[in-house]
Amino acid sequence: EPEVTQTPSHQVTQMGQEVILRCVPISNHLYFYWYRQILGQKVEFLVSFYNNEISEKSEIFDDQFSVERPDGSNFTLKIRSTKLEDSAMYFCASMDTDTQYFGPGTRLTVL
Amino acid sequence: KNQVEQSPQSLIILEGKNCTLQCNYTVSPFSNLRWYKQDTGRGPVSLTIMTFSENTKSNGRYTATLDADTKQSSLHITASQLSDSASYICVVRGKGSYKLIFGSGTRLLVRP
Repeated sequence: EPEVTQTPSHQVTQMGQEVILRCVPISNHLYFYWYRQILGQKVEFLVSFYNNEISEKSEIFDDQFSVERPDGSNFTLKIRSTKLEDSAMYFCASMDTDTQYFGPGTRLTVL
Repeated sequence: KNQVEQSPQSLIILEGKNCTLQCNYTVSPFSNLRWYKQDTGRGPVSLTIMTFSENTKSNGRYTATLDADTKQSSLHITASQLSDSASYICVVRGKGSYKLIFGSGTRLLVRP
């Protein structure tokens, strides 16, 4: 069964460094998403992406964040200058018509 | 503010027993409601999806109900198994939006 994959599974970085989280959505899906989950808290929407542009974003998704679909298969989330509070699980999801399928997540730890 | 609230926060049951989890939401206008299962350290996996016009939907041992008038949903798990131990999250999508609004989840532990 097709699934969303994410790399790396765990990323450790120093505060102020840039990180890129990578996702390979399910092929033929057209809608892509990033969510995050701070330890012990609920999953929060960050951004949705369709037709090569951001369709919706939350107040969390500020100028430090950007998304890109560079080659038609990968979907990336970049954090330009990480802060301690960016430490969380980051989930990528892709959607066909109605159901969002989630990847296994990348655990980001900012030291 | 669009919110999704779940109860109980956690639940412990014996293997083979049934349980019911509750969800209340204030998201309006409403498009659909889903229940997801999330194992520790993993991404959520969809169990059921219900639209405004549906009031019951089953997926194996999982049965979800929806009352769109009172904005309440429940997830009933029948004949629980050890592998049912996970967080169960109620997720609502508003009309005209593709983002999902997550509840905090109910952490279920099934004991032998």
